[in-house]
Amino acid sequence: GNSVTQMEGPVTLSEEAFLTINCTYTATGYPSLFWYVQYPGEGLQLLLKATKADDKGSNKGFEATYRKETTSFHLEKGSVQVSDSAVYFCALTGSARQLTFGSGTQLTVLP
Amino acid sequence: AAGVIQSPRHLIKEKRETATLKCYPIPRHDTVYWYQQGPGQDPQFLISFYEKMQSDKGSIPDRFSAQQFSDYHSELNMSSLELGDSALYFCATQKEGIAQETQYFGPGTRLLVL
Repeated sequence: GNSVTQMEGPVTLSEEAFLTINCTYTATGYPSLFWYVQYPGEGLQLLLKATKADDKGSNKGFEATYRKETTSFHLEKGSVQVSDSAVYFCALTGSARQLTFGSGTQLTVLP
Repeated sequence: AAGVIQSPRHLIKEKRETATLKCYPIPRHDTVYWYQQGPGQDPQFLISFYEKMQSDKGSIPDRFSAQQFSDYHSELNMSSLELGDSALYFCATQKEGIAQETQYFGPGTRLLVL
């Protein structure tokens, strides 16, 4: 079946630091890949997505590239802000349309 | 823009009681997914509906049932509640028929079973 393995947290960074959150996946066929963000007490918001190999998703300074050869979809941001503090989930959809999530990474950005 | 609406936002129940959670999709979205997120856990898929028919089933207990109505809203019915059912319940909706269409999540219903 499908599975997503996500970098364990929590991650604590200073403002303006570089962020990488690793995500690898196992899936049959050609999954679509997603990063969702969950702010405290809120629902899940789509951050970015990529639907085929070598696609790069980007939004709000965050980027992730769909790497089929390494089955990875690592999230990066060049300069984090305090407002980026949240839980980040890597997820995929495959032949089954429901999302399979990773375990989530708690990011805290300190001023 | 209109978003996914879930009600109630918070719910407190006793063990063995029943609960009904509601989800109202974004207009023109015809597919609904239900997910359960336990404390500190990732969301787990429960069940999904497309055009009022169940389309897939995940780790949904037999004590739970769900349906989608003619206006595309969905209800998750939970009976014989257990302490372990305490969680955040999300629905997500999607416009079927569009390749790789995104699922949009509601704010969730936080259920506490005492």
